[in-house]
Amino acid sequence: GAGVSQTPSNKVTEKGKYVELRCDPISGHTALYWYRQSLGQGPEFLIYFQGTGAADDSGLPNDRFFAVRPEGSVSTLKIQRTERGDSAVYLCASSLTGDRVRNEQFFGPGTRLTVL
Amino acid sequence: DAKTTQPNSMESNEEEPVHLPCNHSTISGTDYIHWYRQLPSQGPEYVIHGLTSNVNNRMASLAIAEDRKSSTLILHRATLRDAAVYYCIPNTGNQFYFGTGTSLTVIP
Repeated sequence: GAGVSQTPSNKVTEKGKYVELRCDPISGHTALYWYRQSLGQGPEFLIYFQGTGAADDSGLPNDRFFAVRPEGSVSTLKIQRTERGDSAVYLCASSLTGDRVRNEQFFGPGTRLTVL
Repeated sequence: DAKTTQPNSMESNEEEPVHLPCNHSTISGTDYIHWYRQLPSQGPEYVIHGLTSNVNNRMASLAIAEDRKSSTLILHRATLRDAAVYYCIPNTGNQFYFGTGTSLTVIP
């Protein structure tokens, strides 16, 4: 079956612009996660959805970052007034349930965001 | 979540076993120990996880110290496809803290 997909694979934008990054999780997975990965670093947690609701958004760096999952499937990460420091690979993962201690997370290939 | 210490890098010859260590001395009694790996230009992928007992699956084995303050991921026969960054992640909560992991180089 299909894995987690993310679009676009690459996004180049200018400082100050608004961007949306999309994640299509594995069908039937109720939990969805967003991470950000800078060069040479491990992924950094941003937000976790259980169904339609954001169960934990404590990793979002500031109020320019927002994510939604209106129907409990596809999720969109939205970044307003982008800054050069937002440049990174944005990873999405899904798992069957939100039971993090047992359910493995399946990651997408990521969206590489470059802010000029 | 527990802090982890992993070597920055390791090398192994192809078809030899590899032992990847991880120290997690502040682990709590309910933290599972997860291992993920990330191949170049890909998202991380699950390798194995455990709580107290040693675990085996088709990819690897996980040896957990009796005091749970350290664990070792064992690849029984390294292949070139195993070259990746390996992350050790003790956790119970929603957040996975990946750290910087161990970059494994497999020498043909």
